[in-house]
Amino acid sequence: SQQGEEDPQALSIQEGENATMNCSYKTSINNLQWYRQNSGRGLVHLILIRSNEREKHSGRLRVTLDTSKKSSSLLITASRAADTASYFCATVVQGAQKLVFGQGTRLTINP
Amino acid sequence: DVKVTQSSRYLVKRTGEKVFLECVQDMDHENMFWYRQDPGLGLRLIYFSYDVKMKEKGDIPEGYSVSREKKERFSLILESASTNQTSMYLCASSLEGLNYGYTFGSGTRLTVV
Repeated sequence: SQQGEEDPQALSIQEGENATMNCSYKTSINNLQWYRQNSGRGLVHLILIRSNEREKHSGRLRVTLDTSKKSSSLLITASRAADTASYFCATVVQGAQKLVFGQGTRLTINP
Repeated sequence: DVKVTQSSRYLVKRTGEKVFLECVQDMDHENMFWYRQDPGLGLRLIYFSYDVKMKEKGDIPEGYSVSREKKERFSLILESASTNQTSMYLCASSLEGLNYGYTFGSGTRLTVV
């Protein structure tokens, strides 16, 4: 079962611009996490935001969480070609002990 | 550098074969997971384990089994491989508890012919 849904499914921007990806989920969560996956490789953990947090930063990444709307956004500022990848949100549902992934946003940074 | 190592990057097996996918982590993590990733379906959890010799079914356990004889090693077994098990298989591990990110291996792309 898919808990999270990313929007858009694909995003193409120019290098230097900001990229924003959104994630919506269905049930109450313990935390929400964002991962990056370069083509054909494993996923890399980017950031975790707990259900009682509203915003978190890590370098050029900014994540927000709105539990009333059951949504999160990932902002990548000053994008670089190396940011080209798929980005997944994943949630730990309350009462469960596993991470459930969305289908991802494919981000392309054009030079 | 801590990591999760999957034994094979690419694997081709025949229908009906018994297939072992191995995963080893060097971080002393309690939790280990097997996912498969398919276009349009995202990542789906097959099995997971919170401790040695224990296992829990994920969302799609049918046709698979797992073994965790040592803390650092979590094996996924396809008892009788079928073509619909052609997929990218991803192993991950994490510390005990809910508020930790997962560390993933590089994946094994399995083709069953």
